Amino acid sequence: DAGVTQSPTHLIKTRGQQVTLRCSPKSGHDTVSWYQQALGQGPQFIFQYYEEEERQRGNFPDRFSGHQFPNYSSELNVNALLLGDSALYLCASSFGGLSNQPQHFGDGTRLSIL
Amino acid sequence: SQQGEEDPQALSIQEGENATMNCSYKTSINNLQWYRQNSGRGLVHLILIRSNEREKHSGRLRVTLDTSKKSSSLLITASRAADTASYFCATGSSARQLTFGSGTQLTVLP
Repeated sequence: DAGVTQSPTHLIKTRGQQVTLRCSPKSGHDTVSWYQQALGQGPQFIFQYYEEEERQRGNFPDRFSGHQFPNYSSELNVNALLLGDSALYLCASSFGGLSNQPQHFGDGTRLSIL
Repeated sequence: SQQGEEDPQALSIQEGENATMNCSYKTSINNLQWYRQNSGRGLVHLILIRSNEREKHSGRLRVTLDTSKKSSSLLITASRAADTASYFCATGSSARQLTFGSGTQLTVLP
């Protein structure tokens, strides 16, 4: 039973570029949430996708966008990259999308902006 | 913004000792969860406690919740070197969003 998988594991970009990160949820899960984790900090909620729609969004600018596909996998897109976007990006999956369910995390994508 | 704040920020103990971490939060919640994160890895769910529960156990873990004080504690008994990790509390106060604290770094010395 595969858990949450994320790709790529590491990525280096320069300021102003665009990036796409990918996530496949745990088998049986239909909800994907994305988090940004700066070094030494806790994860910050970016947004959640359920039934192919963005259901809730954290305090992140429109440069951050996403998509969920019919097979429940998801992408996170970040445009016009800033140095401050350097972080570990985590994907978490759950069933039903409500916050009262445990979330299963992937190992993340480490994004470095030069 | 971080809703929960863990205390202490860092904790170092000897193998076999108990470790206690605390979490305080600001708004009303419907559940509180604890997660563990090993260096460079994703978070692993440990335990979920609902707002109408006061205490929950899972193996060597004991979690308490005091909604009147807006606080929770995680106790790890008989710590092992493999327990070395960062521990985060996360609160569910809206229907869909979990809000994480800044974490406690636990080091268990052999």
